[in-house]
Amino acid sequence: KNQVEQSPQSLIILEGKNCTLQCNYTVSPFSNLRWYKQDTGRGPVSLTIMTFSENTKSNGRYTATLDADTKQSSLHITASQLSDSASYICVVRGFTGGFKTIFGAGTRLFVKA
Amino acid sequence: NAGVTQTPKFQVLKTGQSMTLQCAQDMNHEYMSWYRQDPGMGLRLIHYSVGAGITDQGEVPNGYNVSRSTTEDFPLRLLSAAPSQTSVYFCASKHGSGGAPADTQYFGPGTRLTVL
Repeated sequence: KNQVEQSPQSLIILEGKNCTLQCNYTVSPFSNLRWYKQDTGRGPVSLTIMTFSENTKSNGRYTATLDADTKQSSLHITASQLSDSASYICVVRGFTGGFKTIFGAGTRLFVKA
Repeated sequence: NAGVTQTPKFQVLKTGQSMTLQCAQDMNHEYMSWYRQDPGMGLRLIHYSVGAGITDQGEVPNGYNVSRSTTEDFPLRLLSAAPSQTSVYFCASKHGSGGAPADTQYFGPGTRLTVL
């Protein structure tokens, strides 16, 4: 079983609408969680990072939340734009046979006009 | 700053051929790493380096070699390419080797490799 699971695998929304992407993890103990945006044909770019003591972090129209008790995080995108079309990757750092960084498989978001 | 650069952007190899994927960064980062990204899977760590002259294996190191003779460069060598190595390869760098939350990892644009 993957230690970082993201849902949905893909999502289509209309421009201007909001959406929420989910990330569940089993990595424990947990150090920090990042959300990355990966445009097609490009490398991932960091959007937000949260430590275990933080439960929300915003970056413009992107708001990430973290519930360390239930090991769940979400990324909420407000008033989506065409340029939000990308893959969004949840990345968890924690101790799993040594400190490791585990990448989720990503959610592919398509924003349509 | 150019950030992290990778060459080539695309490459097609035949089974058994060898090649080197180039990676360079101009941010004076100590830590550099190579990942592969396959459909439906998260990025997986191949090799990493915590400084010039120091390299170590990641999660999926078989079939790959690395070296780090300078702080700036971290090439990845495929010794004898196999179809299972068809993937997109990303090089990344960050300031330190620890997991400090403020230490963001910067990724290159990737190399799309196909092995026939």
